[in-house]
Order: sequence, then C-alpha cells, then structure tokens
Amino acid sequence: QVQLVESGGGVVQPGRSLRLSCAASGFTFSSFSMHWVRQAPGKGLEWVALISYDGTHKYFADSVKGRFTISRDNSKSTLYLQMNSLRGDDTAVYYCARDPSRLGDYGFADNWGQGTLVTVSS
Amino acid sequence: DIQMTQSPSSLSASVGDRVTITCRASQEISSYLNWYQQRPGKAPKLLIYTASSLQSGVPSRFSGGGSGTDFTLTISSLQPEDFATYYCQQTDSFPLTFGGGTNVEIK
Repeated sequence: QVQLVESGGGVVQPGRSLRLSCAASGFTFSSFSMHWVRQAPGKGLEWVALISYDGTHKYFADSVKGRFTISRDNSKSTLYLQMNSLRGDDTAVYYCARDPSRLGDYGFADNWGQGTLVTVSS
Repeated sequence: DIQMTQSPSSLSASVGDRVTITCRASQEISSYLNWYQQRPGKAPKLLIYTASSLQSGVPSRFSGGGSGTDFTLTISSLQPEDFATYYCQQTDSFPLTFGGGTNVEIK
C-alpha cells in the first residue's frame, strides 16, 4: 500500500533553515507528482508546493515563493522541502501528498503522510 | 489567486441526518473542485475529485455536485465516523487553494 513518511521537523529559530524529507513506498514514486501541504495549529489547510514526476515543473504558494524549494530524488523515492528564512507564520504541520498525475495537472492529493511539525520560535 | 469560501463554517447534526456543505469560488473553475475529510489529529483524506467523482473506497453516502463557481458536498445519512472537518480545494490554476473548512459536530 502507499506509504508516505515525513521527517525533519522540529523547533527552529526565525531566519534559520530546515529541510523536510518524505520517504515514499508502495508505489512507483518516479511516475507521480508530489505536493507539500501545511496546517498551522488550529487552522485550515494551505497548499505549499508541487513538483512534477521528473522534477522539471515546480509551483509554489505566494507565501513561500523565493524562500522554499521543492525537490525530489527518484532513485531514493524521497521528496524534499528546503525551507529558508523561516518565520513564525511558517509554524505548522507539513504533509507530503501524492498527486495521481505526472505533471500535477490533476492537482488533488490522493494519498497523504502523517505530517511533521515545524515550530519556528526563538 | 482564486479564493474559496465554504459555508457554513460549522454545523451540528445528528446521526442519520442529510448534510450539505457549500463551496464558492471567486472565479469560474469549471469542475476543478475537490473535497477532503480531516478527522482530529489525522491527515486529510480525499473524498471527491473533479466536483463529483467519488474516490475509491469512499462510501456512496458522500456525493459532490456543481460546476463553475458553486459546489456542494452532501452526506446523505450522517454516520458517527463522519464527524470531522471538510475542506474544498480548487485545482483550476496555481496557486492551488483550499476553503476555510466546515466542522461537522454531533448535535
């Protein structure tokens, strides 16, 4: 079965960087585009970024554009989110999720990880 | 960016009730509208995609409708496991956006 396991969350000071990872199994990772979606404590869902199956197409939310980078290593079936210049409002649970399309043209997420908590605080 | 507005933001209902949640897009999005369920402390789960297609494994009491700017999620007979928060999401254009959520509580 599809399994997505996020890691790398923790407490980080404002202005610092953090890299999240998402290990995928149970499907052919290299054939699917992937999302990051976040949820601030007690708040709703916010889409963060999407990367196509081969890494050539990337899209970002306005709130993270220029600060966050999405990447993938298909040889390791792993998705990454590099987060730089972190701010307090980046505090959230970060979920990785699979898109059923190769290029992200479906846009919805049919399988989700359990999430990893990032807390930005001094 | 396309804004998604859900109503109501919360509702109270009883087991067996028919429940309808609405979602309105700030501009035309054809049928590029999806619905998710999130139980407390859990990851979201896809229920409906492209407005009315039922995701595999989702009970048939869930249905979606609408097109253009106005959409609905209907639960025909509410079950105890359906008490959760529901989100709509537009996938017509980037950036992808979610509605604010509808919390379905037990009456």
